[in-house]
Amino acid sequence: AQSVTQLGSHVSVSEGALVLLRCNYSSSVPPYLFWYVQYPNQGLQLLLKYTSAATLVKGINGFEAEFKKSETSFHLTKPSAHMSDAAEYFCAVTLENTGNQFYFGTGTSLTVIP
Amino acid sequence: ETGVTQSPTHLIKTRGQQVTLRCSSQSGHNTVSWYQQALGQGPQFIFQYYREEENGRGNFPPRFSGLQFPNYSSELNVNALELDDSALYLCASSKPGGPYMNTEAFFGQGTRLTVV
Repeated sequence: AQSVTQLGSHVSVSEGALVLLRCNYSSSVPPYLFWYVQYPNQGLQLLLKYTSAATLVKGINGFEAEFKKSETSFHLTKPSAHMSDAAEYFCAVTLENTGNQFYFGTGTSLTVIP
Repeated sequence: ETGVTQSPTHLIKTRGQQVTLRCSSQSGHNTVSWYQQALGQGPQFIFQYYREEENGRGNFPPRFSGLQFPNYSSELNVNALELDDSALYLCASSKPGGPYMNTEAFFGQGTRLTVV
C-alpha cells in the first residue's frame, strides 16, 4: 500500500520568505509523487510531479520539489513567497501503471503574511 | 480545449435520499476518477472509469456507484445518504494513454454536497 504524510497542517511565512512544505511517502514500490494546489472553492491544480526521471522537479509558479529516496521525502519549496501563494497544498502518491489513482495527504494550508 | 466541468456546484439532500453528480471530462480524455474531500481533509479516491468500465475502486461502500458514457462523461451515484457523506466531490479526467498509464489528471471545481 502507498500513502503520504504531510507534516504541518498550517504553515505561515512572510512575503518574500522561503516556503517549505513537507511530505513523506510510504510505498513498497517506486512511487510517482505529485503536489497539487487548491484555492478556495476551486478544484486541484497540478504544481509538479515526479515520475522517476530527474529527482529535482521544477513546477509552475516558481515551485520545485526534490525526491529523496533515502529520506522517503518529497518536500515542496519556493525561494520567495508571494501573497498569491496562499492556498491549500496537497501531496499525492500513485504507482506506475495505475492510471492516476491518487492517494492524497491531509493537506497544508499556507498563509502568507504581508 | 474545454476543462473538466461538474454539476451541480452545490447540493443539499436529506439523509436517506439518493443523489447523482455529473462530470464532463476534458475533451479527448477517456479516463475519469472520482474523489471525496471531507472538510479539512485530503481527497479520497472513490473509483475510476475507463472506456465505460470501472477500473479501480477505493475503500467506499457499494452504495457509491458510477457510470461512464460513450462520450466519456461520468456520473457518481450515492444511495441512502448519510450525514458523513457531506463533502466536496471532485472529478478528474486524464488524457488517453489507457488506465494503466500515469498522465496528468485535470480536476473539476467539484460539487459541494450537504446532507442534513
